[in-house]
Amino acid sequence: QSALTQPRSVSGSPGQSVTISCTGTSSDVGGYNYVSWYQQHPGKAPKLMIYDVTKRPSGVPDRFSASKSGNTASLTISGLQAEDEADYYCCSYAATYALMFGGGTKLTVL
Amino acid sequence: EMQLVESGGGLVQPGGSLRLSCAASGFTVNNTYMSWVRQAPGKGLEWVSVIYSGGSTYYADSVKGRFTISRDNSKNTLYLQMNSLRPEETAVYYCARAGRPAAFDYWGQGTLVTVSS
Repeated sequence: QSALTQPRSVSGSPGQSVTISCTGTSSDVGGYNYVSWYQQHPGKAPKLMIYDVTKRPSGVPDRFSASKSGNTASLTISGLQAEDEADYYCCSYAATYALMFGGGTKLTVL
Repeated sequence: EMQLVESGGGLVQPGGSLRLSCAASGFTVNNTYMSWVRQAPGKGLEWVSVIYSGGSTYYADSVKGRFTISRDNSKNTLYLQMNSLRPEETAVYYCARAGRPAAFDYWGQGTLVTVSS
């Protein structure tokens, strides 16, 4: 069970868009439509931002969108705002009923 | 309002045991997926274990055979029994509810487990 691969950091200016990738294998990201994304601010519990690859929970701004192609899932944040600065983690259901997180990506809003 | 409150963390020596509790309110733990997720200081999230509504349990390879997830429906509480603890398992342990596979929509505040002599 290896962690899903995410870039360690991304950055963008307010108003711009950034995309965070999450690469796994056919046994996790590529094999199931159960990919989720979490936002975590320092000292806080993670917050669900996307589930089932593309779905947004109630209350999550539509600036957050996501997709999947093959073994790679992506989270896009458009119209960057200062409060978007946080760590972002992807998560996928995997074979043998396991779950896996990505290593996390630190988003810096310049 | 749905809420999860963890307890039971603390300092334990390497090789020791600890039991974490997660009291749920606003929903019943036996009707959904419940997991434990941990985060070592300055590190990323790591899935630890899940218990499904039917009672099936699964574990990360790193804790298999040493950790046991369980629930008490009468107390609406989730547990994690941790044995043979290792220093590298020092982390904040979160319990989380998943309404869908991998979709953790409610999280506790976390409880810190420190494994050190």
